[in-house]
Amino acid sequence: NAGVTQTPKFRILKIGQSMTLQCAQDMNHNYMYWYRQDPGMGLKLIYYSVGAGITDKGEVPNGYNVSRSTTEDFPLRLELAAPSQTSVYFCASSYGGLNNEQFFGPGTRLTVL
Amino acid sequence: GQQLNQSPQSMFIQEGEDVSMNCTSSSIFNTWLWYKQDPGEGPVLLIALYKAGELTSNGRLTAQFGITRKDSFLNISASIPSDVGIYFCAGPDANTGTASKLTFGTGTRLQVTL
Repeated sequence: NAGVTQTPKFRILKIGQSMTLQCAQDMNHNYMYWYRQDPGMGLKLIYYSVGAGITDKGEVPNGYNVSRSTTEDFPLRLELAAPSQTSVYFCASSYGGLNNEQFFGPGTRLTVL
Repeated sequence: GQQLNQSPQSMFIQEGEDVSMNCTSSSIFNTWLWYKQDPGEGPVLLIALYKAGELTSNGRLTAQFGITRKDSFLNISASIPSDVGIYFCAGPDANTGTASKLTFGTGTRLQVTL
């Protein structure tokens, strides 16, 4: 199993540009999550999904959108990039329910200039 | 929302020393998870705790679920250079009524000197 994979690993955007961060998992997990981690800080939840076709907002959803058309994929969309979105983005997945153990991807480092 | 406070924020220790860190919550948790994050990588799950009072080991790591259910402790014995990283505690956000969302602590940064 590859686990949780994320692409790209690095990206630089100009203010106002759009992009999609890709996330895929091959563990047949129902639940998937997107976090951002600012320098020296912990992880903040952006969006999560409990299954295909179901998504919900986390702690910091503004400026982002998600979709979950398949169990495996959970892309994160930035429509109008802003400098405040400069961060490292992590995707994670879990079985959900009583099993809270989340498994993380390697991250995407995004810089908005 | 819930807050998870970790202490210490950072620590320098010598190789071979034992390490202790803890995590406290403002409310009761049913699950405690401990993660380690290496520089430039995603967090990796080290230990999961599901029962108050539970003591679980993973190699040189031992974690305990506090009896009050508001705290958890992680110990690393005989530290080695590859223990360097940031250690996060995490638990499910009970305020939302779902066990699937995690709140993460602020992290303990560990640095090991030879």
